[in-house]
Amino acid sequence: NAGVTQTPKFRILKIGQSMTLQCAQDMNHNYMYWYRQDPGMGLKLIYYSVGAGITDKGEVPNGYNVSRSTTEDFPLRLELAAPSQTSVYFCASSYLQGASYEQYFGPGTRLTVT
Amino acid sequence: LAKTTQPISMDSYEGQEVNITCSHNNIATNDYITWYQQFPSQGPRFIIQGYKTKVTNEVASLFIPADRKSSTLSLPRVSLSDTAVYYCLVGNAGNMLTFGGGTRLMVKP
Repeated sequence: NAGVTQTPKFRILKIGQSMTLQCAQDMNHNYMYWYRQDPGMGLKLIYYSVGAGITDKGEVPNGYNVSRSTTEDFPLRLELAAPSQTSVYFCASSYLQGASYEQYFGPGTRLTVT
Repeated sequence: LAKTTQPISMDSYEGQEVNITCSHNNIATNDYITWYQQFPSQGPRFIIQGYKTKVTNEVASLFIPADRKSSTLSLPRVSLSDTAVYYCLVGNAGNMLTFGGGTRLMVKP
């Protein structure tokens, strides 16, 4: 199993540009999540999905959109990029939902908005 | 969600045992205690989870007293490769994961 994969690894965006961060998992997990991590801080939940076709907002959803058309894929869309979105983005998945179930994380995408 | 408090940083030396304590005074009856490890430029990795007493796996032990208001992650004989940030999380099947600032462990030679 490849686990959770993310592309790209790095990206530099200009203010106002848009992009999609890709995330895929091959563990047949129902639950998928997007987090952002600012330097020296913990992770903050952006969006999550409990299954194909179902998504919901996390702690910091503003400026982002997600979709979940298949079990495997959970892309994160940034519209009108802003410097405040400079961060490392992690995708994760789990078999069941909730803090008592192990989440598997991808390697992250480092995004800089200038 | 139960709030957790853990030291911001700790230093240790290779070969020593490291104990990181996490306080969670308002833990709920159905909450589990979970620890994740994060290396620089990588996503967090699950280490260990417990509900009460003691849990041990191949990399760590987790000690939880009877009142469950705190927990201690124990790393036996640390090496340089154990330098990382360790997060204590408390929650159950109804909560999302909420990461605090974690404990930055530095292992020195």
